[in-house]
Amino acid sequence: NAGVTQTPKFRVLKTGQSMTLLCAQDMNHEYMYWYRQDPGMGLRLIHYSVGEGTTAKGEVPDGYNVSRLKKQNFLLGLESAAPSQTSVYFCASNSGGLAGGRAYNEQFFGPGTRLTVL
Amino acid sequence: QQPVQSPQAVILREGEDAVINCSSSKALYSVHWYRQKHGEAPVFLMILLKGGEQKGHEKISASFNEKKQQSSLYLTASQLSYSGTYFCGTETVDRDDKIIFGKGTRLHILP
Repeated sequence: NAGVTQTPKFRVLKTGQSMTLLCAQDMNHEYMYWYRQDPGMGLRLIHYSVGEGTTAKGEVPDGYNVSRLKKQNFLLGLESAAPSQTSVYFCASNSGGLAGGRAYNEQFFGPGTRLTVL
Repeated sequence: QQPVQSPQAVILREGEDAVINCSSSKALYSVHWYRQKHGEAPVFLMILLKGGEQKGHEKISASFNEKKQQSSLYLTASQLSYSGTYFCGTETVDRDDKIIFGKGTRLHILP
């Protein structure tokens, strides 16, 4: 099993350009998450999904869009990149709970995507 | 709302003990603990659930005080491999399936 993979690993964008980050998992997990990590800020939740076709906003959703058309994939889009979106982006997946739909199992993280916006 | 971790950073000598705290302003269903090495992804350590259930690491222990909405991670007889940044992640009783992480605690172990 590859676990959680992220594409690309590195990317440099110019302000105003758009791009899509791809997260894929082969563990048949229902729950998927996108986080960004900045120095001193920890991991901040951007968007998440509790199943195919569903998405929800996290703590810092502005400037990002997501889609979960297939259960194994979770896409993060930047429509018009800004320097403030320079960050390391982590995707995570979780099998979810058995009762009440809670995400009480471990998060499996991807290796991260380092994005620089000039 | 991000849980608050303390301390922000700790420096220990190998063999010493450390405690990392995590507190929330909201009632919690679960607390997750992860460790991240520089340049790598966070790795799962432990989950503590409302009601007392725990899942996780054999050599690291933690507590969850539901009433105080706090959790503590105990690193005893620390090893060089324990160095890294520790994050707590919390899920509230609101059933929104969000896992929100704190800002992290940097732990450095000296030989």
